[in-house]
Amino acid sequence: GQSLEQPSEVTAVEGAIVQINCTYQTSGFYGLSWYQQHDGGAPTFLSYNALDGLEETGRFSSFLSRSDSYGYLLLQELQMKDSASYFCAVVTDKLIFGTGTRLQVFP
Amino acid sequence: KAGVTQTPRYLIKTRGQQVTLSCSPISGHRSVSWYQQTPGQGLQFLFEYFSETQRNKGNFPGRFSGRQFSNSRSEMNVSTLELGDSALYLCASSLNRNEQYFGPGTRLTVT
Repeated sequence: GQSLEQPSEVTAVEGAIVQINCTYQTSGFYGLSWYQQHDGGAPTFLSYNALDGLEETGRFSSFLSRSDSYGYLLLQELQMKDSASYFCAVVTDKLIFGTGTRLQVFP
Repeated sequence: KAGVTQTPRYLIKTRGQQVTLSCSPISGHRSVSWYQQTPGQGLQFLFEYFSETQRNKGNFPGRFSGRQFSNSRSEMNVSTLELGDSALYLCASSLNRNEQYFGPGTRLTVT
């Protein structure tokens, strides 16, 4: 079967760095995507890793290790507006989402 | 470029009824996927359409169906509604599966 695990909740303060981990078990794996969803909003695409290594997009970076079936999203210089749910999603013949990590940023 | 639009935004139905939700993708996107989002289960894949053909289907009962039109607009239908069908239904369009653009969703409440 297919499964993804990520922490249910993470808290941090403004200006800090936080890492959200995602481990997965799946077949037909193409890559790992990350999405952000604010309360009451739609998920928005953040990043995609098809190959091992780190992808950086501004304050956000995403990492993938295919051999470890593991990835993470790194958020730097946290801002209050980063408070949201973050989902990892494995790309196979479909997109399978994790249950999400709720990030709360405190001043 | 206009984003993904979904109608209606909110819907209240009673058990046993059926419902049809509509999704208009971003212009040029031929792939449309549907997801059900609930607090306990997160985002669950319903189905994906590409060029009017269902390309993939998730683990939902046959009461859930969909279709895509030649202009890439898509509809999903849920028949014989159950209380457990209350959820946010999200539509996403894409050029490729790894980067999907979501609409605002339709909030369905079944009473």
